[in-house]
Amino acid sequence: DTAVSQTPKYLVTQMGNDKSIKCEQNLGHDTMYWYKQDSKKFLKIMFSYNNKELIINETVPNRFSPKSPDKAHLNLHINSLELGDSAVYFCASRPTRTNEKLFFGSGTQLSVL
Amino acid sequence: GNSVTQMEGPVTLSEEAFLTINCTYTATGYPSLFWYVQYPGEGLQLLLKATKADDKGSNKGFEATYRKETTSFHLEKGSVQVSDSAVYFCALDNQAGTALIFGKGTTLSVSS
Repeated sequence: DTAVSQTPKYLVTQMGNDKSIKCEQNLGHDTMYWYKQDSKKFLKIMFSYNNKELIINETVPNRFSPKSPDKAHLNLHINSLELGDSAVYFCASRPTRTNEKLFFGSGTQLSVL
Repeated sequence: GNSVTQMEGPVTLSEEAFLTINCTYTATGYPSLFWYVQYPGEGLQLLLKATKADDKGSNKGFEATYRKETTSFHLEKGSVQVSDSAVYFCALDNQAGTALIFGKGTTLSVSS
């Protein structure tokens, strides 16, 4: 009954490969996010979708492409992986209303070799 | 733009010590403020929040007061436990209310 679930939990791959991370929430939330956490624990917003519409697209290389097939899913596809992409990626969701808390997935540890 | 500044860690305390983690923010308007906690290998969980000036958020013995005059939201706990060891993040809603902006996180380590 996990509220926000991400797969895979660990992803080890070679430079230059293309990979995807999937995220699903069963909370009925309208808004979903991808955050990147670096080795120093700094969390940076990457993308946000509201009802399948992109509303935040921070300065992220265009090798990163989010896709939201429906409002319960937000997947992250990464092309031509680079060493600097190694990080923990967190999916999160919340109702559209502001002031509401974010519900986070447990993270995907991406290691690019 | 909106931003959050937290004290640098790590913070190392003995069990039952008093904890303060400082957080200040820069924002236009009146953002909502949050503290999140991240235990090892897990995602972030909401610890407490405050939505307007002078509000006090509290949970599990932690508390923080929204101080508009000093633009601060410091986290405090009177007596920490080993189980409180984690990374703590201060955050605010951005101006459009579309995302949370996080501070850099403060690692707390409590020893028995």
